[in-house]
Amino acid sequence: EIVLTQSPGTLSLSPGERATLSCRASQSVSSSYLAWYQQKPGQAPRLLIYGASSRATGIPDRFSGSGSGTDFTLTISRLEPEDFAVYYCQQYGSSPETFGQGTKVEIK
Amino acid sequence: QLQLQESGPGLVKPSETLSLTCTVSGGSISSSSYYWGWIRQPPGKGLEWIGSIYYSGSTYYNPSLKSRVTISVDTSKNQFSLKLSSVTAADTAVYYCAGRNGPDPFDYWGQGTLVTVSS
Repeated sequence: EIVLTQSPGTLSLSPGERATLSCRASQSVSSSYLAWYQQKPGQAPRLLIYGASSRATGIPDRFSGSGSGTDFTLTISRLEPEDFAVYYCQQYGSSPETFGQGTKVEIK
Repeated sequence: QLQLQESGPGLVKPSETLSLTCTVSGGSISSSSYYWGWIRQPPGKGLEWIGSIYYSGSTYYNPSLKSRVTISVDTSKNQFSLKLSSVTAADTAVYYCAGRNGPDPFDYWGQGTLVTVSS
């Protein structure tokens, strides 16, 4: 099983600032099958990024993903008020699919 | 635009079987390109993939739950279902059903349903 470790656990930032979230895998993620989701309280996760760097339909270009192998990054170039949420990475290249423990982006 | 909706009891007794159904609208569950799955989230915690099913009936389960999980599909009703047997308090969670297009990750999600295991 591939274990995904996200850091930091919590990121305290102000609107307009840049957010950089990390996701490290315990072994190489097959074919960069790495996704990022955003989850707000009481809501289902929302797919942001797939294939490590491709934005899902309707996702603003302030969200970008990068990385390969075992190290992946989600960057939010300028935080908007609606971006404060919990973010999860997920590998879906090998079974069982696994999620990271999440990074909370909170308002400073 | 696909829409998914979970349904089932919100309270299950310990040792019994949790049963949930996901109804898919806005498209056919028999689409050859789509897989369907269940993911759960204990209160205040992270996400756990339970398993997935193809419309043909091929299933893929998380080994940590495999001995207790059955996922099935009913193409006539455009639904797929989850059964989790011998539940304990550790199975208390919000259960989500979700859909994915081929090798892509889950891009369609239900709103989630809280299932509490308690006597």
